[in-house]
Amino acid sequence: NAGVTQTPKFQVLKTGQSMTLQCAQDMNHEYMSWYRQDPGMGLRLIHYSVGAGITDQGEVPNGYNVSRSTTEDFPLRLLSAAPSQTSVYFCATAPGTYYQPQHFGDGTRLSIL
Amino acid sequence: GENVEQHPSTLSVQEGDSAVIKCTYSDSASNYFPWYKQELGKRPQLIIDIRSNVGEKKDQRIAVTLNKTAKHFSLHITETQPEDSAVYFCAASRGEMNAGGTSYGKLTFGQGTILTVHP
Repeated sequence: NAGVTQTPKFQVLKTGQSMTLQCAQDMNHEYMSWYRQDPGMGLRLIHYSVGAGITDQGEVPNGYNVSRSTTEDFPLRLLSAAPSQTSVYFCATAPGTYYQPQHFGDGTRLSIL
Repeated sequence: GENVEQHPSTLSVQEGDSAVIKCTYSDSASNYFPWYKQELGKRPQLIIDIRSNVGEKKDQRIAVTLNKTAKHFSLHITETQPEDSAVYFCAASRGEMNAGGTSYGKLTFGQGTILTVHP
């Protein structure tokens, strides 16, 4: 039981490049989400999903795309990387019932040059 | 949308002292308030949570209190130890349900408190 697995752990991109951050879970959780963490700003919600085929925007969605074709996977795509997207990205999951805590992956450290 | 303010941003205490971190929220419909601890370079991990129908919850050396009227909640750590040193985040959410019957809550986080416990 791996929980929430994020890949890669580190990535350096050039401005304008695109890439996909992967998030996979083996807990059969309905809810999956992506956050970015910047110094002094806590964690901010980018996109979330309440099940396969269902996604919605969070607080800071611009520049990111998501899709959810299976319960297990929730990739985050950077369309055209910008230096402002340099951050640590966390994927989190939760069961499809309220009051359940969210479980975080180990994060992806992304630097945009 | 929800806004969560967390204070202080840094907190330094001596081992054995108590530490208190406070958060305020803006959405009166918020009803779930978790606290996460994040050690350097690690993932955030839940340490305690409280629902809006409860005023206080304890788990060994940590406790959380909630004042719904004032819309604030606090984390209390007693008998602090060096291993308590970390960044602590509060969060708030309101329950939602989609058409398929899945219940969920989008978390809004505070800015974080860097707690340092000196031996």
